[in-house]
Amino acid sequence: AQKVTQAQTEISVVEKEDVTLDCVYETRDTTYYLFWYKQPPSGELVFLIRRNSFDEQNEISGRYSWNFQKSTSSFNFTITASQVVDSAVYFCALNNQGGKLIFGQGTELSVKP
Amino acid sequence: GAGVSQSPSNKVTEKGKDVELRCDPISGHTALYWYRQSLGQGLEFLIYFQGNSAPDKSGLPSDRFSAERTGGSVSTLTIQRTQQEDSAVYLCASSLGIGSPGNTIYFGEGSWLTVV
Repeated sequence: AQKVTQAQTEISVVEKEDVTLDCVYETRDTTYYLFWYKQPPSGELVFLIRRNSFDEQNEISGRYSWNFQKSTSSFNFTITASQVVDSAVYFCALNNQGGKLIFGQGTELSVKP
Repeated sequence: GAGVSQSPSNKVTEKGKDVELRCDPISGHTALYWYRQSLGQGLEFLIYFQGNSAPDKSGLPSDRFSAERTGGSVSTLTIQRTQQEDSAVYLCASSLGIGSPGNTIYFGEGSWLTVV
């Protein structure tokens, strides 16, 4: 069975703090893709990153970075020097059958000024 | 258009009425998906299309829900005899194809449905 778990339901930080959003996945397939999406209050899901199962190299994009570890089936997302505009719900997702994304329950991040 | 377009943005309907939600995918995208997000909940998969066919309808919650896609483009999600528990945001998404699970799936802004 495929499953994505985001154990943190809500996180609240003060602006400029670093914050890490956890994502743990389950799959029996050797080929799969992992995604992070951001859902701001407007409701649209915004694609942030895609990572395939054969590429464990960590990625940094500005203040965002992702740590993929197959040994622990985790794909964690860190925001450095958080800003109020980062406040949103963040979803981690798994795709291994080409048909549909399996989403975690989401982590609501609140960044206070 | 540049992104996935959904209409209506907001719909308030009376219990028992039928509603139709429309999705216009990104040009050139052959795969189309419908998801539902209830208030404060995660994303629930409903159905996806590859071209005009729907290989996976497993997520449709009841036989009151149906979807079709014509011309490999626009899709319509129909909910018959709406119930209050149908109130949710219905998100449509599209991608280049289903053959590769690595294809990024892009979402529209959703149709907010309220059943009163």
